[in-house]
Amino acid sequence: AQSVTQPDIHITVSEGASLELRCNYSYGATPYLFWYVQSPGQGLQLLLKYFSGDTLVQGIKGFEAEFKRSQSSFNLRKPSVHWSDAAEYFCARYPPGSARQLTFGSGTQLTVLP
Amino acid sequence: DAGVIQSPRHEVTEMGQEVTLRCKPISGHDYLFWYRQTMMRGLELLIYFNNNVPIDDSGMPEDRFSAKMPNASFSTLKIQPSEPRDSAVYFCASSNRENTEAFFGQGTRLTVV
Repeated sequence: AQSVTQPDIHITVSEGASLELRCNYSYGATPYLFWYVQSPGQGLQLLLKYFSGDTLVQGIKGFEAEFKRSQSSFNLRKPSVHWSDAAEYFCARYPPGSARQLTFGSGTQLTVLP
Repeated sequence: DAGVIQSPRHEVTEMGQEVTLRCKPISGHDYLFWYRQTMMRGLELLIYFNNNVPIDDSGMPEDRFSAKMPNASFSTLKIQPSEPRDSAVYFCASSNRENTEAFFGQGTRLTVV
């Protein structure tokens, strides 16, 4: 069955430090991949998405993600974290040409230290 | 566009009562999704509609849950009777074509006591 794994439940970084959140997927074909962010008490906001083409995708708020087929990964990165980036981050996917159900990872909670 | 609008934002009800959650998708979007978020199970898809027709309701946990979409601009998720284990945040999302991102509402936090 298709799945998304976010191995890090909680990550703490200092403001200004770089960030990488891990995401791995399992499925035969290359899925469509997404990163969403959820601030406390809010809905989910799309940061970026990958469908095909260039494996390095740029998103909003200075985030980027790189699709690596060989590693079945789609890790999210940011070179310099801001205090406002503290939130929960979800990786999600669905297989191309199939039903549109998004499968979400379990999320990574990001804490930013001053 | 105001985005996906859900109401109410918070709902507290007693066990056994009927609960109705409402969603207005983004105008022009023809897919609508209902998700549930809990600490134990994360984000789960309950049901989704395409052109107002339910396509997959395999995620609906029990017969106590039902969803309707009477027109392109409105959907409801009903729980009757509600139970404490239904306490969760329920999200509605919409999208406008195959294989594109879903836009989420701010959710309804349901507490059943």
